[in-house]
Amino acid sequence: EIVLTQSPGTLSLSPGERATLSCRASQSVSTSYLAWYQQKPGQAPRLLIYGASSRATGIPDRFSGSGSGTDFTLTISRLEPEDFAVYYCQQSGSSLTFGGGTKVEIK
Amino acid sequence: QLQLQESGPGLVKPSETLSLTCTVSGGSISRSSYYWGWIRQPPGKGLEWIGSIYYSGSTYYSPSLKSRLTISVDTSKNQFSLKLSSVTAADTAMYYCARPLSSGWTPFDYWGQGTLVTVSS
Repeated sequence: EIVLTQSPGTLSLSPGERATLSCRASQSVSTSYLAWYQQKPGQAPRLLIYGASSRATGIPDRFSGSGSGTDFTLTISRLEPEDFAVYYCQQSGSSLTFGGGTKVEIK
Repeated sequence: QLQLQESGPGLVKPSETLSLTCTVSGGSISRSSYYWGWIRQPPGKGLEWIGSIYYSGSTYYSPSLKSRLTISVDTSKNQFSLKLSSVTAADTAMYYCARPLSSGWTPFDYWGQGTLVTVSS
């Protein structure tokens, strides 16, 4: 089973700042099978990025994904108030697993 | 607009079987080649994939749950279901059903609102 490790566990930033979230896989993952989700309290996860770098429908362009192999990154270029949430990476190249999540909180 | 809705008991006793159903509206399970999925989230914790079912009935389970898990589909009712046997307190979680973005093993784009299942006597 591929283990996804997300870091940091919590990111404390101010609105307007840049957020960089990491997702590291225990084995190589095809970029086709790496995705990112956002989850707010009391809500189901929302798909942000699929195929490592493609934005899902309706996702603002301040969200971008990059990476390959075992190292992937989600970047939020300028944090808006509604971006403070928990973010998960997910791979579906070998079975299906989620990372443990990164919480982006207001500093 | 595709919608998914989970339903089932909110309280299950230890050692019993947890049963949930996902009803799909706004689209047909049988007319699309998707891997419909179940995901759960214990209170305050992260997401865990439980398993997925293809519209034809082929199933794919999480290795950690495989021995206790059955996922099935009823195309006549446009529903798919989850049964998890011999539950313990560790199975207490919000349970979500979801549909992928497109055919194949793509990420989940449509999610139900989730249903909280508590395992307690």
